[in-house]
Amino acid sequence: DTAVSQTPKYLVTQMGNDKSIKCEQNLGHDTMYWYKQDSKKFLKIMFSYNNKELIINETVPNRFSPKSPDKAHLNLHINSLELGDSAVYFCASSQPPFLAGLHHEQFFGPGTRLTVL
Amino acid sequence: ELKVEQNPLFLSMQEGKNYTIYCNYSTTSDRLYWYRQDPGKSLESLFVLLSNGAVKQEGRLMASLDTKARLSTLHITAAVHDLSATYFCAVDMPLNAGGTSYGKLTFGQGTILTVHP
Repeated sequence: DTAVSQTPKYLVTQMGNDKSIKCEQNLGHDTMYWYKQDSKKFLKIMFSYNNKELIINETVPNRFSPKSPDKAHLNLHINSLELGDSAVYFCASSQPPFLAGLHHEQFFGPGTRLTVL
Repeated sequence: ELKVEQNPLFLSMQEGKNYTIYCNYSTTSDRLYWYRQDPGKSLESLFVLLSNGAVKQEGRLMASLDTKARLSTLHITAAVHDLSATYFCAVDMPLNAGGTSYGKLTFGQGTILTVHP
């Protein structure tokens, strides 16, 4: 069984388009994350939600909007795509990191490779 | 701002040799994670280190954490080709002495390990 899944795996689109990436986890975790990995493999956190509530919102252009319909899903919508948005986007999940005594290891999805032409 | 630096960034090893990857970080934390990433794949959790002096071993890999020196090491013993991958350390900034956080992982740059016959 897939623990953290993302769709699509590959996304090729033109500049200016709007696109969404979906993420689902079946680990029963309350907390989900979006990370961006650039062409140099550098990983940076973008957002985190706990039980549908935003808890981390890094310095990300407001063209990026996360949405969590329930605690098992965290989607990422990107408006007006730019060339610099080309990257691999990873979703992850964990137990709530702000609750002591829990195992807070983050489990990552397979990634979505976004190419903006 | 938390900074995490790995070295070396590139490591070419012969099979059977030993080597160590270093992960230095700039502010106090006792939560450190090591991940492995194969080309085009997701991040696989290797080790979770949650206290000063923590040491964990799995197969040919051993990780340790020295929170006073703000240093973690990943030691490779008798390398084999299957260990070829990119290795990341990631540090979680604690919110307070109770050991909780927001799960905002700051990643090192990654170490690309290539093991040659």
